[in-house]
Amino acid sequence: EAEVAQSPRYKITEKSQAVAFWCDPISGHATLYWYRQILGQGPELLVQFQDESVVDDSQLPKDRFSAERLKGVDSTLKIQPAELGDSAMYLCASSQYARTKDYEQYFGPGTRLTVT
Amino acid sequence: AQTVTQSQPEMSVQEAETVTLSCTYDTSESDYYLFWYKQPPSRQMILVIRQEAYKQQNATENRFSVNFQKAAKSFSLKISDSQLGDAAMYFCAYGGSQGNLIFGKGTKLSVKP
Repeated sequence: EAEVAQSPRYKITEKSQAVAFWCDPISGHATLYWYRQILGQGPELLVQFQDESVVDDSQLPKDRFSAERLKGVDSTLKIQPAELGDSAMYLCASSQYARTKDYEQYFGPGTRLTVT
Repeated sequence: AQTVTQSQPEMSVQEAETVTLSCTYDTSESDYYLFWYKQPPSRQMILVIRQEAYKQQNATENRFSVNFQKAAKSFSLKISDSQLGDAAMYFCAYGGSQGNLIFGKGTKLSVKP
């Protein structure tokens, strides 16, 4: 069964350093999402892509976070510089169609980030 | 803005018994979907069940069923014949016109043998 791949699974970094996460969605899925999940809470959307275009990045802290999906397939989320409050699980999800309300989102295993 | 509220941070159930997890939401939209996702410890989130708002019939998937009360904006999950593998965080999520999911804070379910 096809799955969403993410790497690394775990990342420890010092504050003020740069960090990057990678996501490879299920083949053929046009929509890709990055969520942040703080321990003990539900995921919150950071950015949504439709193919290579950003659909929603209203909750992305753009002074330090950036995301790209250059060829409309895999995606990279970057944080520079990392802050202590960025410690969280970063989840990637994909869906076949643009409207999540119609179709299921498939989640990757996540990247657990710890900023020291 | 849409919100999702799960008022039970933790729940516990005896193996083979039934448990109900609560979820309420707020929206002004008429067309939307509701979801229950399961997140086992250190494992990825998977969809448990989905409900279309325009359907009056409650969704069912094997041992999992929902009680969808649209007027009350309530969407509870019932797990029958609970199994040890059901132990996980359960998240209620709203999918509306924006295309993304809005999650509640989750309910941690423990299953006692």
